[in-house]
This record gives sequence, structure tokens and C-alpha cells, in this order.
Amino acid sequence: SQQGEEDPQALSIQEGENATMNCSYKTSINNLQWYRQNSGRGLVHLILIRSNEREKHSGRLRVTLDTSKKSSSLLITASRAADTASYFCATAFRSNDYKLSFGAGTTVTVRA
Amino acid sequence: NAGVTQTPKFQVLKTGQSMTLQCAQDMNHNSMYWYRQDPGMGLRLIYYSASEGTTDKGEVPNGYNVSRLNKREFSLRLESAAPSQTSVYFCASSEQWGLDEAFFGQGTRLTVV
Repeated sequence: SQQGEEDPQALSIQEGENATMNCSYKTSINNLQWYRQNSGRGLVHLILIRSNEREKHSGRLRVTLDTSKKSSSLLITASRAADTASYFCATAFRSNDYKLSFGAGTTVTVRA
Repeated sequence: NAGVTQTPKFQVLKTGQSMTLQCAQDMNHNSMYWYRQDPGMGLRLIYYSASEGTTDKGEVPNGYNVSRLNKREFSLRLESAAPSQTSVYFCASSEQWGLDEAFFGQGTRLTVV
């Protein structure tokens, strides 16, 4: 069963705008990861945030984690056409033997 | 820097046929996984191998078998393909089971008619 649920399912923004997507989960986690998938391609790892961390940055990406609300957000700043992709959150938690459990993803379209 | 390599990239099977999807990684990772991706459902774990010599069922193992041939290679076999197995299959690997980033192959698009 899917542990993470992304919101929104789809997002359309203008180039240069920021994009924010959220992930909610049900069980206490060890870590939460964000992945990107371009059309017809495999998934590419973006950021891993551990349960004792609250925020991580990587280039134009910012991930926050709120364990009290069991939620995470991914912010992409100053979006580019190349950011057009699907974004997935994945959680690893002890009761699932740390198997990565993926959500259904958020599809982001960046308009030129 | 090949990473995770899957073969074939595309395959069409008739119902009842069998086939093996191959996966190899060159990063000396301990853990390997097979996922399937269907529209609107994200990725679902079929089988995994936490370390060389071990394999375990994931969320949707029925109709599949796996072999961890060695540390590099992890194959997925469909013994008698069914239309419900039409999907995109991804192999992935990681150094530490569930605790660090996973690296994915480019996927195999399988159609069962």
C-alpha cells in the first residue's frame, strides 16, 4: 500500500515561478526521499531528509519535513522548462522493513 | 558510469509466454529492487534483494520470480505472462537498504497481448 500521498496531482506554472508540492504519510519514518521522473525515463534521486532533520537544500530545491504533521514539501524556485517532470516522494519506515514506498506523484508542467 | 542497466527496453509478449528482464549495476551496491509503474499508481515493489544471496517478496509478487545471480545482477522472470502484467518495470539499487538514495534504470516497457 502507498504510504506517501502527493498533493496536488498536477501543477502548471510559468517559467520563473516557484513550484510547491506536498507529501503526507501515515507512519513514523526513518527518512523521506524525493525523486524526479522525466517522461519515459527512470527516476532520479533529488533529496533525502532524515526524520531528525527539518529542512534541506540542494541548488534550487528546498525540502522541509514536519514529523508532527507527518508531511513534507518540495519547493522548486525559479522554475525552468527543464523542471517539467513528475515528482515522487518515497518513505522508508521500520514497520515496512525500510522498503521504499512511493506515492503516485505530482506532475509539474512549466510553461515558457 | 553506466549505473543501473536494464534490458530489454521494450517487449511485447503474448499471453502465456515467459520472459526474463535483466538488470545489472556497476556501483557495488548491496541492495537491488524491482518495481512496476502503472498510470496513477506510482511505483509498487515486486521483489527485492537486501543483500547478495537473499530475496524477498514486495507488495505485488504474484506472477513473478527473481534471481540474485551475483552482487551485480538481479533478474525478474515472468513465467506465464498475463495482460495485467502490462506495465513499465524499473530495476533499482542502493548501498544501504532503505536508508540511502536509490539509483534507477531506464525501465522496460512491457506489453502483454
